[in-house]
Amino acid sequence: GAGVSQSPSNKVTEKGKDVELRCDPISGHTALYWYRQSLGQGLEFLIYFQGNSAPDKSGLPSDRFSAERTGGSVSTLTIQRTQQEDSAVYLCASSWGLAGGAQYFGPGTRLLVL
Amino acid sequence: GDSVTQMEGPVTLSEEAFLTINCTYTATGYPSLFWYVQYPGEGLQLLLKATKADDKGSNKGFEATYRKETTSFHLEKGSVQVSDSAVYFCALSLYSGGGADGLTFGKGTHLIIQP
Repeated sequence: GAGVSQSPSNKVTEKGKDVELRCDPISGHTALYWYRQSLGQGLEFLIYFQGNSAPDKSGLPSDRFSAERTGGSVSTLTIQRTQQEDSAVYLCASSWGLAGGAQYFGPGTRLLVL
Repeated sequence: GDSVTQMEGPVTLSEEAFLTINCTYTATGYPSLFWYVQYPGEGLQLLLKATKADDKGSNKGFEATYRKETTSFHLEKGSVQVSDSAVYFCALSLYSGGGADGLTFGKGTHLIIQP
């Protein structure tokens, strides 16, 4: 596609439920990134993929968070047993994965945990 | 660890005023530097970037110069417009053998331009 797309755009869930967020990167981009944007914490890096591998998972807040990427394209971020503090906008970005390369962001998924 | 520090604002200016938003960084390696902008109700957009010392990134009348000696990447614009009202984020990334690492962002500067 022309840009990074994410779905759903909004998600409301109850505490304790699992959610899956989807990211479709720019065609041809080998690197894919997940971030979280919240009022209290600003923009936090969560995880990135180079191809289907995730060299750096250090930003994942807890073991309730996981992500996968298949076919070097679409990625899903899964949050298990959601908590109210998980409420935030989850952003996906993609790039060519080269040194100095810019990352291009999707519109985000706004998650609200009740 | 790596970090980015920028003035948080809000910064309020009149139209046609000169803008400077300060950004300084600490990094374990030799980072690439970026400015991103988030307009009201929209997603993050790349504004400009610089990948090595003394490089100047520019776009839409905005400029920033990579200053290694002062570890800074200040954003400037000579004459701001109401349409420049947005939140501006300074960010850095490092490159490891596995690829370009995630961006480290500053907390963002909310800019308000009054007509």
